[in-house]
Amino acid sequence: GQQVMQIPQYQHVQEGEDFTTYCNSSTTLSNIQWYKQRPGGHPVFLIQLVKSGEVKKQKRLTFQFGEAKKNSSLHITATQTTDVGTYFCAGLKGKLIFGQGTELSVKP
Amino acid sequence: DAGVIQSPRHEVTEMGQEVTLRCKPISGHNSLFWYRQTMMRGLELLIYFNNNVPIDDSGMPEDRFSAKMPNASFSTLKIQPSEPRDSAVYFCASSPSPPSGQFFGPGTRLTVL
Repeated sequence: GQQVMQIPQYQHVQEGEDFTTYCNSSTTLSNIQWYKQRPGGHPVFLIQLVKSGEVKKQKRLTFQFGEAKKNSSLHITATQTTDVGTYFCAGLKGKLIFGQGTELSVKP
Repeated sequence: DAGVIQSPRHEVTEMGQEVTLRCKPISGHNSLFWYRQTMMRGLELLIYFNNNVPIDDSGMPEDRFSAKMPNASFSTLKIQPSEPRDSAVYFCASSPSPPSGQFFGPGTRLTVL
């Protein structure tokens, strides 16, 4: 069936280091969305990418959508302790399918 | 502005009991989603409604689960009878129009003993 795979599952970084999580789909997606969930919290919508090859930035966060619309990445430059949480990608093909998430921990 | 409202926030019940989870979406949003989150299975879509009509309930685990949306401002997810494996955090989310970002409620943490 339809799947959205996300790697890595966990990432531990020192504050100030960069962080990247990758998302791959077995099929072409209509769009991809990214969410952040803080420990004990609920997923919070960050951004939606629709166009092939699209790149969007939000301060230190850079989101990319692959040319084939099957993969995406989220890159955080110079992580801070406030970036801690689980980052989910979610691909839309009929309905939204969430990846397993990448849990980011940041050591001060 | 009030976000998505869910109640109760926590529910502890015994196996075999009926559980009803409630959700009030953001006013004006016409899509509503029910998710279940566990460590083992991650975030799973159970069912979603568009304009109060169920569109896809393929994620509903079994007949013990049912969901209704009698009007644009209210939805319920019912489990009858509940089982220990139903223990999870249940999220409700709403969206202004598909495809668009979803706004999640705080969730209901369900524990079935």
